[in-house]
Amino acid sequence: EIVMTQTPLSLSVTPGQPASISCKSSQSLLHSDGKTYLYWYLQKPGQPPQLLIYEVSNRFSGVPDRFSGSGSGTDFTLKVSRVEAEDVGVYYCMQSIQLPITFGQGTRLEIK
Amino acid sequence: QVQLVQSGAEVKKPGSSVKVSCKASGVSFSNYTISWVRQAPGQGLEWMGGIIPIFGSANYAQKFQGRVTITADESTTTGYMELSGLRSEDTAMYYCARSLFWKAMDVWGQGTTVTVSS
Repeated sequence: EIVMTQTPLSLSVTPGQPASISCKSSQSLLHSDGKTYLYWYLQKPGQPPQLLIYEVSNRFSGVPDRFSGSGSGTDFTLKVSRVEAEDVGVYYCMQSIQLPITFGQGTRLEIK
Repeated sequence: QVQLVQSGAEVKKPGSSVKVSCKASGVSFSNYTISWVRQAPGQGLEWMGGIIPIFGSANYAQKFQGRVTITADESTTTGYMELSGLRSEDTAMYYCARSLFWKAMDVWGQGTTVTVSS
């Protein structure tokens, strides 16, 4: 199975400052159809995960433009340009190019 | 409004089985995949398996093979996840989620807590 490795595992950020999370996969997530099956989710406290970014860099409906995703192959990054209090929670990357679907360990973001 | 509504919390004895339901409303069902993801207390997300109702057959993570059965009833737009041989380590929140084939899980159920305790 594809192993997803996130760094850091925790992040403490002052409101208004940027944040960045890395996600590395043990195999390339580039499919022969040209798409890369890498996603980012945010799980706020007490809630189910919510989709932020699909296929590396596409923001899901309603996601603020301070969230952006980038990367290719096996290396990916989620950036929050200016962290707000509502961004607190655990961020997960996920791959679905190959079953089983696998998630990163999660990165906990807290506000300083 | 698109929703996945899951059944309520369960408390089970070790060795027993649990069946969790996930009803889709306001959302197309048959053409989508319903996956099941679990989260042990304080832990990360773990995909258990999923089913595409129009195809009927499910795919399972190796870890749960033989213990989990995922089904879907198109007539009631409801998905089900049954886990047998319960042990304390199965105590977790269980989520269903919808995706187009095996792509982005864009709609999630509210979660069902399963507690396994003697």
